[in-house]
Amino acid sequence: AQTVTQSQPEMSVQEAETVTLSCTYDTSESDYYLFWYKQPPSRQMILVIRQEAYKQQNATENRFSVNFQKAAKSFSLKISDSQLGDAAMYFCAYENNAGNMLTFGGGTRLMVKP
Amino acid sequence: DTEVTQTPKHLVMGMTNKKSLKCEQHMGHRAMYWYKQKAKKPPELMFVYSYEKLSINESVPSRFSPECPNSSLLNLHLHALQPEDSALYLCASSQMGLDRSYGYTFGSGTRLTVV
Repeated sequence: AQTVTQSQPEMSVQEAETVTLSCTYDTSESDYYLFWYKQPPSRQMILVIRQEAYKQQNATENRFSVNFQKAAKSFSLKISDSQLGDAAMYFCAYENNAGNMLTFGGGTRLMVKP
Repeated sequence: DTEVTQTPKHLVMGMTNKKSLKCEQHMGHRAMYWYKQKAKKPPELMFVYSYEKLSINESVPSRFSPECPNSSLLNLHLHALQPEDSALYLCASSQMGLDRSYGYTFGSGTRLTVV
């Protein structure tokens, strides 16, 4: 079974600065997908960014980018120019090769200070 | 339509009640999921439906009974729940096959309280 670990329960960043959230995972599969989801107090899980394991190029989505290190099984999220609206719980997630199971890490609560 | 709609948003039920949670999507997704989320914890997978067939049941107690009447609708029937079943219940959907890399689309959840 796959496991996903987020070692930072809480992080804090000053508005307009950059923050990196860490995620590691364990799997024996070679093909899979990785995601970062954001869950604000409104409860809705929102897809932030995705990465296909077979792609070496790191995914980027506006102010959000990832550092995907397949050999190290590491998948960190960098948020640039942090905004107050970025404050939320962030979950790293792994989707297995069969595409029928999404496993979440324990989450990192991000606080943004004005 | 790019949403997953869940109803009701809030539900309070007694331990002897029978209630149902409803989830609907019109994105043509052929996989639908139920997740349970306790406070300050990640979502935990309960059930997976693929092409309207139950494909995964993560050892969920029989007091939770899923149903997928058609490709757009997913229900979760609740009966004789316990207070520890109080949680946020999230529904999600996704594409299958080569399009699955687009990730899951989640509803905003039903906040369930069992009294």
